[in-house]
Amino acid sequence: AQTVTQSQPEMSVQEAETVTLSCTYDTSESDYYLFWYKQPPSRQMILVIRQEAYKQQNATENRFSVNFQKAAKSFSLKISDSQLGDAAMYFCAYRLGGANSKLTFGKGITLSVRP
Amino acid sequence: DARVTQTPRHKVTEMGQEVTMRCQPILGHNTVFWYRQTMMQGLELLAYFRNRAPLDDSGMPKDRFSAEMPDATLATLKIQPSEPRDSAVYFCASGPALGVGSNEQFFGPGTRLTVL
Repeated sequence: AQTVTQSQPEMSVQEAETVTLSCTYDTSESDYYLFWYKQPPSRQMILVIRQEAYKQQNATENRFSVNFQKAAKSFSLKISDSQLGDAAMYFCAYRLGGANSKLTFGKGITLSVRP
Repeated sequence: DARVTQTPRHKVTEMGQEVTMRCQPILGHNTVFWYRQTMMQGLELLAYFRNRAPLDDSGMPKDRFSAEMPDATLATLKIQPSEPRDSAVYFCASGPALGVGSNEQFFGPGTRLTVL
């Protein structure tokens, strides 16, 4: 079975600074997708960034980028120029390749941003 | 602005009562998911459907939970009888199975259920 591990329950960052959130996963599959979701206090799940396992290039979305290390099964999220609105829970998630199927989530990490 | 809708947004009920949660997926999405979020277990899949047929409901307690899609625009999750341990936030998500957008699941706002 696939598992996703987020070992840091909480992190804090100074506004305008950079923070990295860690995630590791375990799978025997070669075709899969990885995601980072943001959940603010409103509880809405918001997709931040996705990575296809077959792509070597790390995904980037504005201030958000990932460091995807396939051999190490590591998928960290870097947030640059942190803003107060980035404060939220962040979930790392995995799903098998192919047709849209279930997401397996990590336990999440609470990110606070200090003004 | 297409989005997944869920009703009710909040539900408080007493143990033993039936609870029905409803979800309207985004029009055209043929894959619908039910996830549950608790402090202890985090986010976990309960069940999901493709073209209204259940594909995986292994995460759902079969004795009290049931999930259906009466039609393509409505998914329901029922708990009967409800228990305090069912207190959680229940999310519905939808997405296309293949093609454009199939790398993403669009989440509804969730139903916060409290069973007293």
